Amino acid sequence: GQNIDQPTEMTATEGAIVQINCTYQTSGFNGLFWYQQHAGEAPTFLSYNVLDGLEEKGRFSSFLSRSKGYSYLLLKELQMKDSASYLCAVRFRKKLSFGAGTTVTVRA
Amino acid sequence: GAVVSQHPSWVICKSGTSVKIECRSLDFQATTMFWYRQFPKQSLMLMATSNEGSKATYEQGVEKDKFLINHASLTLSTLTVTSAHPEDSSFYICSARGDPKGESSYEQYFGPGTRLTVT
Repeated sequence: GQNIDQPTEMTATEGAIVQINCTYQTSGFNGLFWYQQHAGEAPTFLSYNVLDGLEEKGRFSSFLSRSKGYSYLLLKELQMKDSASYLCAVRFRKKLSFGAGTTVTVRA
Repeated sequence: GAVVSQHPSWVICKSGTSVKIECRSLDFQATTMFWYRQFPKQSLMLMATSNEGSKATYEQGVEKDKFLINHASLTLSTLTVTSAHPEDSSFYICSARGDPKGESSYEQYFGPGTRLTVT
C-alpha cells in the first residue's frame, strides 16, 4: 500500500518562506511530484524529483531524499495568490498516489 | 500545449439517474487516461486507469459496474456514473498521459474537474 503524509494546514505571512514536508512509505518509487490545487479546480504541476537533491524553479523549490522517504516543497516570497492546497504525490508503475494535501493560507 | 478538458464542469442529477462525464485531450494523443475522485478536504483517489481500445483497470473498492469507463479514441475517455446516489456526489477529475512509456517527468496532465451533486 501507499502511505503519504503531509501536514494538514500551514499559515504564513506575505513575503515569508514556508516549507511543506512530505514523508512517504510506498511499495515502489518512480518519482515524486508536487501539485498546487486551488479550491474547486484541478491540480497544476509544480515540480518533479526522481533523484536526491534540490530542484529549484523560481520561487518554488523541491527536495527529495529517497533513503529517508522524505520530500519538501519550499515556497519563497509568498504571495496572496499562493493560498492553495499543495499535494505531494508519489509515482509507482505509472500511477500517482496523492497525500491528503496541505492547505496554505497566506496572510497580509 | 497539453490541454485536457472535461465536460460538464458542473452537474446536478436526481438519485437513480446516470451521468456521463467526458474527458478530452485537446492537443495531444492520450494513450492512458486516469479518473480520480476527490471528496471535500480530501486528496485525489485514483478510481481507474484506462488505455485506448482496452478495458479499464479499476482500483480496489471501485465498482466497475457503477462507474463505466470508455476510452474509445486517443483523445476521448468517458466516465458514466450509473444509478447515481447522494454518496456519489464528489469532484471527478480526469488526467491524461501521452507518453506510452510513461517515463517522462511530468507527462500527466489534469482536466479542470467535474463537480457532481446527486439530490
